[in-house]
Amino acid sequence: GQNIDQPTEMTATEGAIVQINCTYQTSGFNGLFWYQQHAGEAPTFLSYNVLDGLEEKGRFSSFLSRSKGYSYLLLKELQMKDSASYLCAVMDSNYQLIWGAGTKLIIKP
Amino acid sequence: GAVVSQHPSRVICKSGTSVKIECRSLDFQATTMFWYRQFPKQSLMLMATSNEGSKATYEQGVEKDKFLINHASLTLSTLTVTSAHPEDSSFYICSAREGDRNTEAFFGQGTRLTVV
Repeated sequence: GQNIDQPTEMTATEGAIVQINCTYQTSGFNGLFWYQQHAGEAPTFLSYNVLDGLEEKGRFSSFLSRSKGYSYLLLKELQMKDSASYLCAVMDSNYQLIWGAGTKLIIKP
Repeated sequence: GAVVSQHPSRVICKSGTSVKIECRSLDFQATTMFWYRQFPKQSLMLMATSNEGSKATYEQGVEKDKFLINHASLTLSTLTVTSAHPEDSSFYICSAREGDRNTEAFFGQGTRLTVV
């Protein structure tokens, strides 16, 4: 079967760095997405990786290793507004998104 | 980024009535639209995929006669929850994709449906 695994919840301190991991097993691979979702709102796009390596975009970076079925989202200089759920999603061979359950990130002052 | 508008954002309806949710791509042509349902503290659950001008493809376990999806144009898809029941209360989200299948999907704002 297909599955996406990511931690249920993480806690970090304002100003610090946090890494949210995602491992996947899917039928084929056409890219991995990270989305941010605040409570009661729709997800917003953060990043897309289809090749191995690190993609940096401001305070957020995303890494992919296709051979290991592994990705992480790195958030630097954490701000209180970064408190949200972070969803990892993989596009399979049918171009269908397979979603992880999301990681709830709690930022403490 | 591209904008997807979903309306209404919140709706309360009585049991047995029907509710229509609209999803519009404002500045691009959405060849494919997706409808998701999200339960509290859970991830998105894909309900159906619709391509403009053709019937929607429903995921296993989703009743097509209860959740009617119409993708009549390249900028509009609708989800109608028919004969709503309290267990249909949930957060419904649409997303739209333009062109290539491995491109980003843009999300609407979501609709909070409460059936009383």
